[in-house]
Amino acid sequence: AAGVIQSPRHLIKEKRETATLKCYPIPRHDTVYWYQQGPGQDPQFLISFYEKMQSDKGSIPDRFSAQQFSDYHSELNMSSLELGDSALYFCASSLRDNDRETQYFGPGTRLLVL
Amino acid sequence: DAKTTQPNSMESNEEEPVHLPCNHSTISGTDYIHWYRQLPSQGPEYVIHGLTSNVNNRMASLAIAEDRKSSTLILHRATLRDAAVYYCILRDDNDMRFGAGTRLTVKP
Repeated sequence: AAGVIQSPRHLIKEKRETATLKCYPIPRHDTVYWYQQGPGQDPQFLISFYEKMQSDKGSIPDRFSAQQFSDYHSELNMSSLELGDSALYFCASSLRDNDRETQYFGPGTRLLVL
Repeated sequence: DAKTTQPNSMESNEEEPVHLPCNHSTISGTDYIHWYRQLPSQGPEYVIHGLTSNVNNRMASLAIAEDRKSSTLILHRATLRDAAVYYCILRDDNDMRFGAGTRLTVKP
């Protein structure tokens, strides 16, 4: 079965640079979530989108922005990168229903800021 | 958001049952109890969820206390591949907040 695809899988950037992470949800899924997981930490919710509209916002820095496109893929744009942004970034997708739907996670993008 | 409390770590022997507890004393009536796990170097993976009744699936069982203030994830026969961090999460809407989970070690 098709899974969530994230690209790139690894990314190295310098401080103050920008980065764009991409997420391709499972076909027919209408909701995308972004999470950040620092070294040795638990995943932290950043932001989510449902039908191309922002659904909820977590601990996403103002330097980051995200959007969901008409084909339901999503991009997380990160600017003025800081050393502390080094982390694993997970995208998850789901099909919204009334039963607190299951989120399916991608393999993650590992970002290293030097 | 309602909070959950889990042990930091647990150990199990291979092929033995494992009971992973979760306390959620401030749970509201509309909160679903979800369990996810994260294997090393992988994204979180859905395990099971429930509202009031006990639930079974091919991966695990979920036992929910009658007052819903606690729940237990049951792995019937732990394998080495079950070694992971297990997260108990309360959800009253579609977004999910991870707390500190339980790191399960499975010994051969």
